[in-house]
Amino acid sequence: DAGVIQSPRHEVTEMGQEVTLRCKPISGHNSLFWYRQTMMRGLELLIYFNNNVPIDDSGMPEDRFSAKMPNASFSTLKIQPSEPRDSAVYFCASASYEQYFGPGTRLTVT
Amino acid sequence: GENVEQHPSTLSVQEGDSAVIKCTYSDSASNYFPWYKQELGKGPQLIIDIRSNVGEKKDQRIAVTLNKTAKHFSLHITETQPEDSAVYFCAARDTGRRALTFGSGTRLQVQP
Repeated sequence: DAGVIQSPRHEVTEMGQEVTLRCKPISGHNSLFWYRQTMMRGLELLIYFNNNVPIDDSGMPEDRFSAKMPNASFSTLKIQPSEPRDSAVYFCASASYEQYFGPGTRLTVT
Repeated sequence: GENVEQHPSTLSVQEGDSAVIKCTYSDSASNYFPWYKQELGKGPQLIIDIRSNVGEKKDQRIAVTLNKTAKHFSLHITETQPEDSAVYFCAARDTGRRALTFGSGTRLQVQP
């Protein structure tokens, strides 16, 4: 198995632009999670899905952030418009019981 | 909700020594406790986990212990090697929730 796949691995964008992060979970896993990691705040859960349905989005910072999971093998996290404070590493993880992380997307908003 | 506290935040040991990282949790309903290792530039990697019906679990040089009464669990690494240097995270999950609650992390440095 290739593990959790995320793209892009690095993204540099200007403030105000739309950013879309992508995730392909491990086949057979029914839960998917989006996290954000910064030095100041550590590892934060943004949202998670169970069987493609959003269960808890209380960690989404504000309306600029949205996430979708149109099918069991794909999810997106979108930021529109992006701001410099959104700069962080964004991780996707999937689980059936144990949770496995992807390699992350390093986002820099200038 | 669940709250997980992790100590110490940094730990430096000599190669060959043991390292111990401790975590406490607040929700007595939590029943699953994984540990992750994160190397620079990579995602957290699951290294060992323990469920609440077990008090100890071992996998080669790493072991985890769980004290449900005191609501704390620990990671033990024996015979440390330079490649053990990384940030380690503990986490907890209860039966009613799929998401993990993470500790703040411990930066382990193994001095050769």
